[in-house]
Order: sequence, then structure tokens, then C-alpha cells
Amino acid sequence: AQSVTQLDSQVPVFEEAPVELRCNYSSSVSVYLFWYVQYPNQGLQLLLKYLSGSTLVKGINGFEAEFNKSQTSFHLRKPSVHISDTAEYFCAVSDGGHTGRRALTFGSGTRLQVQP
Amino acid sequence: NAGVMQNPRHLVRRRGQEARLRCSPMKGHSHVYWYRQLPEEGLKFMVYLQKENIIDESGMPKERFSAEFPKEGPSILRIQQVVRGDSAAYFCASSPGASEGYEQYFGPGTRLTVT
Repeated sequence: AQSVTQLDSQVPVFEEAPVELRCNYSSSVSVYLFWYVQYPNQGLQLLLKYLSGSTLVKGINGFEAEFNKSQTSFHLRKPSVHISDTAEYFCAVSDGGHTGRRALTFGSGTRLQVQP
Repeated sequence: NAGVMQNPRHLVRRRGQEARLRCSPMKGHSHVYWYRQLPEEGLKFMVYLQKENIIDESGMPKERFSAEFPKEGPSILRIQQVVRGDSAAYFCASSPGASEGYEQYFGPGTRLTVT
């Protein structure tokens, strides 16, 4: 069984400061990893994904994440945040490989609050 | 290209009534997933369907819940005899296929309130 742990339920940060949202996972099989953003009363939008290859993944809106297999982590970073980045961020995993189970297992979310 | 459509966006039902939630996947997508988000929690997988087939229903409650994705028309998540604990946001996601990018595109969700 897979599980995802997002260590911080809320992260307050000032505008233009850097931010890191932490995500750790556990799985007995290879995984694909995702970060999604959810704005209030909206669905989820994909920020970035790791399937294979380079462990540093760049996504939309200036976000990036690094896959660390030894630490089973996939932390999300942005060097300078904007007020508009205020939202809920979800880390998710699914089975890797062509025959893997496609359902996503989500973490409980991190609320990023960007203050002026 | 329209995104994933869900309707209704908001649904209020009294205890014991039935709730029907609809999901139209993106054009060209034949895979649909349903997730439930309880207040202050992450999303939990419920069911994965392809046209006319249920592929994985390991997250579906054993009673009162059912899902279908007919050859024509939207996918339907049906909850019979709703209870207050069913109040949640229900999200549908679609993908073009299990081996194409693996990305799931989410709809805006249906917020079910059981009174």
C-alpha cells in the first residue's frame, strides 16, 4: 500500500520569499509523483510530475520539485512566491510502470498562505 | 478543448434521498476516476472506469455507492440513501489512456451537502 505524508498543514510566508513544501511517500513499488494545486472552490491543477529521468522537475508558475529516492521525498520549491500562489497544495503518488495501478494516493495537503 | 465537466456544482439532499453526480471527461479521454474530498482532508480515490467497464473500485464504500461510464454519455456516481457523512466534494478526473503521460485532469467538483 502507498501513503503520502505532507509534513506541514500550513505554511505562512511573505511575498517574494522562497518556499519549500515537504512531501514524503512510502511504497513497495516504483512510483510516479505529482504535485497539484487547488484554489478555493476549484478543482485540482497539475503543477508538475515525475515519471522518470532527471530528478529535478520544473513545472508551471515557477515551481520545481526534486525526487529523492533514498529519502523517499518529493519536496516542492519556489524561489520567490506571489500573493496569487496562496492555495492548497497536494502531493500525490501512483504506481509506476505500464501495468501499475493508476489511482492517485494524495497527501492531506499544505495550505500556503502568502502575506504581503 | 473543454476541460472536465461536472454537474451539478452544488447538490443538496436530505438524508435518505439519492444523489447523482455527473462527469463528462475531456474530449478524447476514455478513462475516468472519481475521488472524494472530506472537509480538511486530501482526496481519496473511489473508483476508476473505462467505457462500460469498472477497472478498479477498491476505494468505493461497499454499500449505497455505485458508478458507471456508459458507451454514450457521462460517467455517473450514484449514492443511494445519503447520510450526513456523505457530505463532501466529489471530484472527477479523466485521462487519455493509462499509458499516455499518466496525468489526470480534474473537474471543478460537485459539493454534496446532506441535510
